Amino acid sequence: DQQVKQNSPSLSVQEGRISILNCDYTNSMFDYFLWYKKYPAEGPTFLISISSIKDKNEDGRFTVFLNKSAKHLSLHIVPSQPGDSAVYFCAASPLFQGAQKLVFGQGTRLTINP
Amino acid sequence: IAGITQAPTSQILAAGRRMTLRCTQDMRHNAMYWYRQDLGLGLRLIHYSNTAGTTGKGEVPDGYSVSRANTDDFPLTLASAVPSQTSVYFCASSYQGSDTQYFGPGTRLTVL
Repeated sequence: DQQVKQNSPSLSVQEGRISILNCDYTNSMFDYFLWYKKYPAEGPTFLISISSIKDKNEDGRFTVFLNKSAKHLSLHIVPSQPGDSAVYFCAASPLFQGAQKLVFGQGTRLTINP
Repeated sequence: IAGITQAPTSQILAAGRRMTLRCTQDMRHNAMYWYRQDLGLGLRLIHYSNTAGTTGKGEVPDGYSVSRANTDDFPLTLASAVPSQTSVYFCASSYQGSDTQYFGPGTRLTVL
């Protein structure tokens, strides 16, 4: 059973507009939530994270929102740029001290149109 | 600084053969990980290692083994490959306690 779900396989947004990527999770033991970005033929790269004690974290054009009661998080990209076209993975983990055992969603392919 | 390197880049393998995927990092990270990426399933953790000398099972460990003889290297071995192990394999590393993992470029493995 998929513990982290990204229900939109793809999303198309016009350049300059806001991109909103969504993610749902089922495991209430998850304490950390992350977004990774992946270009073709490359490994994923870390984008932004949030811990369960917060409901918002912002880094430049990227903001992650966490709604613990709904077990839902979202990534907002404003303004969207052509270089943002990539596959975005949501990931989650429980509290950890050593290795962080991430559980990933299926990914959403974001396309930014000029 | 190379970061994480993986070898080979891609491989076609006959079922039943043994294969070792190599992973080396030069960031002196304590923790290392192996994931497989399959369409529609995202990335799934196969095995991980907190520090040199220790390993643990992830979400999908069956059919795979790992070793961690030193800090830098974390090879993944398929003892007898099966077609369902056709996938893209990513190695990653992080400082212990850090929520940021750094990924290698991946190995595309096809088992026929």
